[in-house]
Amino acid sequence: SSELTQDPAVSVALGQTVRITCQGDSLRSYYASWYQQKPGQAPVLVIYGKNNRPSGIPDRFSGSSSGNTASLTITGAQAEDEADYYCNSRDSSGNHLGVVFGGGTKLTVL
Amino acid sequence: EVQLVESGGVVVQPGGSLRLSCAASGFTFDDYAMHWVRQAPGKGLEWVSLISWDGGSTYYADSVKGRFTISRDNSKNSLYLQMNSLRAEDTALYYCAKDIEGGNPSWGQGTLVTVSS
Repeated sequence: SSELTQDPAVSVALGQTVRITCQGDSLRSYYASWYQQKPGQAPVLVIYGKNNRPSGIPDRFSGSSSGNTASLTITGAQAEDEADYYCNSRDSSGNHLGVVFGGGTKLTVL
Repeated sequence: EVQLVESGGVVVQPGGSLRLSCAASGFTFDDYAMHWVRQAPGKGLEWVSLISWDGGSTYYADSVKGRFTISRDNSKNSLYLQMNSLRAEDTALYYCAKDIEGGNPSWGQGTLVTVSS
């Protein structure tokens, strides 16, 4: 099965822009989805597909992709954006079909 | 409103077995493939297993293959995970979820499985 690699931790000053990246072979075939998870809560989808935001997600969240790398950008980070962020994608390596998650990035808003 | 409610998580000894259940409501259950995803304490999300809408196809993470079995009963709007030969590293919060690779996902609140002697 495939793997997705994320930086373990990233920090950003309040109101500034931050990019969180996700690398893996599956991203050459499939778009990444991005989830935000706060302590004690289930994950919440913030970006899916080419660059789509579910209803209720602020437009400061955006996504992009190039080659084997997907990125989540938060433009004008707010204190409430401090959370863990996970990328995922479909995984169809070999005879396997499933989903793969990145290891997660802990975002600190300073 | 979509609801996914997991149950069955308990403390179990290494080598033991456990069956998790997930009751689904608020959507047409048999329109969707379903997943189990787990999260060990203080760790990241790990995809565990996938079952097709009709139960005809199942897929597993390498870490659980041969030990866990996913199943569903569409007449009861329910998803299951039979867990055998449990190990300490299976200790985690287990989530039932739909469409986690798409644009309309739903997650339960999870059920905690602790493998300890």
